[in-house]
Parts: sequence; C-alpha cells; structure tokens
Amino acid sequence: AQTVTQSQPEMSVQEAETVTLSCTYDTSENNYYLFWYKQPPSRQMILVIRQEAYKQQNATENRFSVNFQKAAKSFSLKISDSQLGDTAMYFCAFMKHYNAGGTSYGKLTFGQGTILTVHP
Amino acid sequence: DTAVSQTPKYLVTQMGNDKSIKCEQNLGHDTMYWYKQDSKKFLKIMFSYNNKELIINETVPNRFSPKSPDKAHLNLHINSLELGDSAVYFCASKLYNNSPLHFGNGTRLTVT
Repeated sequence: AQTVTQSQPEMSVQEAETVTLSCTYDTSENNYYLFWYKQPPSRQMILVIRQEAYKQQNATENRFSVNFQKAAKSFSLKISDSQLGDTAMYFCAFMKHYNAGGTSYGKLTFGQGTILTVHP
Repeated sequence: DTAVSQTPKYLVTQMGNDKSIKCEQNLGHDTMYWYKQDSKKFLKIMFSYNNKELIINETVPNRFSPKSPDKAHLNLHINSLELGDSAVYFCASKLYNNSPLHFGNGTRLTVT
C-alpha cells in the first residue's frame, strides 16, 4: 500500500518570506500523480498544485512550486512571497490508478498534513 | 454554480440514530468518492463509485452504506450512529485519469 508522510506537523513563516513544506511517499509504482491541497479554516479542500510522475520538470503555479525528486520519492512544496491568506493546513497526496473490470479509477492517499501559519 | 455540493453542512444527532448525507456534482464527472476526516485532520478514503458502480470499499463498518442513484449523485447513509463516527465527511468527484479530485465543502457530523 502507498503511504505519504509529512514530517512537519506545524510550520510558520513571516509574510513575504519563503517556506518549504516536506513530503515523502512510498510506492513501487512508476506511474502516478502527486498533489498538494490546501485546507483553510473554512474547511474547503483546495487544489494548490499537481505533478505527473513521468514529467521531470517541476510544476509551478504562480507563487507555488514543487521540488519533485522521483528517485528519492520526495515532493516538497515551496511557497514564495507568503501571504496571510496562505495560512491553512496543507496536505500532500499520492494518486495511483487501478484497473478493475475494464474500469480505470484513481485512489488518492493523503499525508497527515502540515499546519502553516503566516505571521504579519 | 457550486461544483460539488453536500448537504447538510452540519449534522448533530444522538447515538443510535440513522442519518444521511447527500452529495451532488454538476461537473459531468464519472467517479465520486467519500472521504472521512477525523479529529486529527487525517483524511481517509471510504468509498468510490464509477458510473453508479462501487469500485472502492475500504474497511468501513457496514453501518455505512453509500448509494449512487446516478453518476451525478453519491449519498452516504449511516445506521446506528456511534460516538466514533463524529468527523467531517467529504464528497469528491473526478473526471479522467490524471485529473485531481474536486471536493465538496464537507459535512461536520457530531454524534452525542
């Protein structure tokens, strides 16, 4: 079974600075997808960024970028120019696809989450 | 214009009762999911349906029964509620292989 580990239960950063959240995963698969989701106090689950394992180039979305190290099974999230609105719980997630009875489906497995607080 | 909507948003009930949570998505997705987020915020998959067919059934007590009347709806019925069922339940949907899950806003269930 796949496991996802976020070793930082809590992190804090000053506004406008940069912070990196760590994530490692364990899998024997070669094809999979990785995601970072954000959960603010409103409880919504918001997709931040995603990475396909077959792509060597690291994904970026505005102030958010990842450092994907496939051999090391590491997928960290870097937030640049941190803003107060970035305060949230961040979840790293791994998706593998399965085939059953001719149907392909994905199963998303989450890490334990990292609470990020951005201080003014 | 909500993409994945769950009702109710909050549900408070007593032990032993039966309750349902409804989920609807208007994204045209084929696959829908139920996840449970416990008090430590850990998210765990419970069920998944693809085009009304059950494809994932994790080790969930059989007091939990999902029902998918069509591919846009996936409801969760819980019988004989227990204190340990208190959690936030998220519905989600997904389109094709490499697409991410789109989540509803969650239902906070409190069993007293």
